[in-house]
Amino acid sequence: KQEVTQIPAALSVPEGENLVLNCSFTDSAIYNLQWFRQDPGKGLTSLLLIQSSQREQTSGRLNASLDKSSGRSTLYIAASQPGDSATYLCAPLEHGSGAGSYQLTFGKGTKLSVIP
Amino acid sequence: EAQVTQNPRYLITVTGKKLTVTCSQNMNHEYMSWYRQDPGLGLRQIYYSMNVEVTDKGDVPEGYKVSRKEKRNFPLILESPSPNQTSLYFCASSYVGMNTEAFFGQGTRLTVV
Repeated sequence: KQEVTQIPAALSVPEGENLVLNCSFTDSAIYNLQWFRQDPGKGLTSLLLIQSSQREQTSGRLNASLDKSSGRSTLYIAASQPGDSATYLCAPLEHGSGAGSYQLTFGKGTKLSVIP
Repeated sequence: EAQVTQNPRYLITVTGKKLTVTCSQNMNHEYMSWYRQDPGLGLRQIYYSMNVEVTDKGDVPEGYKVSRKEKRNFPLILESPSPNQTSLYFCASSYVGMNTEAFFGQGTRLTVV
C-alpha cells in the first residue's frame, strides 16, 4: 500500500526566502503527482500536476520536480510571501483497488508559515 | 466557473440522525470521490465513483453510503452517524484517466455529538 511522507511537517521562514518542500512515496508505479494547497478550514487548491513522464512542472513562483524511480517529489517556492502561508499536500495518483480505478494517496502535509 | 460544490459547509448533528452531504460538479467529470480528513491521519478516501451507477469502496467506507444517479452529483449518506465520524469531509472530481487533475470542494465540517 502506498505511503506518502512529507518533510518537514512544519516550516517557518522569513518573507523573501526560497524554500523546498519534500514528498516521498513508497510505490513508484504512479501515473502522476499533484501538489495541493490547503488554507485553514478551506478546501484543497490544485497547484501543480506532474505527469509520470515529466521531470518538472512550473507555475509562476512554484516549481515541482518528480523523480519517480526514487519515489521523490519536491515543491520549490521562490521569493516566499506571507500569502503563501498554508498547508501543502502532495498526492501521487496510482491504480486503485477496483478494476480500472485510480486513487490519490495523500501525505499529511507541510504547514508553511511565511513571516513578514 | 468550474467548481465542486459541497453542502452544507458546517453541520452539527446528534448520534443516529441520518444525514446527507451533497456534492455537485459542473465539469462533466466521470470520476468523483469522497475523503475525510482527520488530524494526524491526513486525507483518506471513503468511496469513489467511476461513472453513473458505478461506485466502490475506498479505504474507510464503514458507516457511509453513496449513490451516483446523475453524473454531476455524488451525495454522501450517513445512515446512523456516530461521534467517530466527526471530521472534515471533501468531495473531489476529475476525468477518468491517468493524466487528469483532481478538483476538490470547499469541505464540510461535520460534528456528531
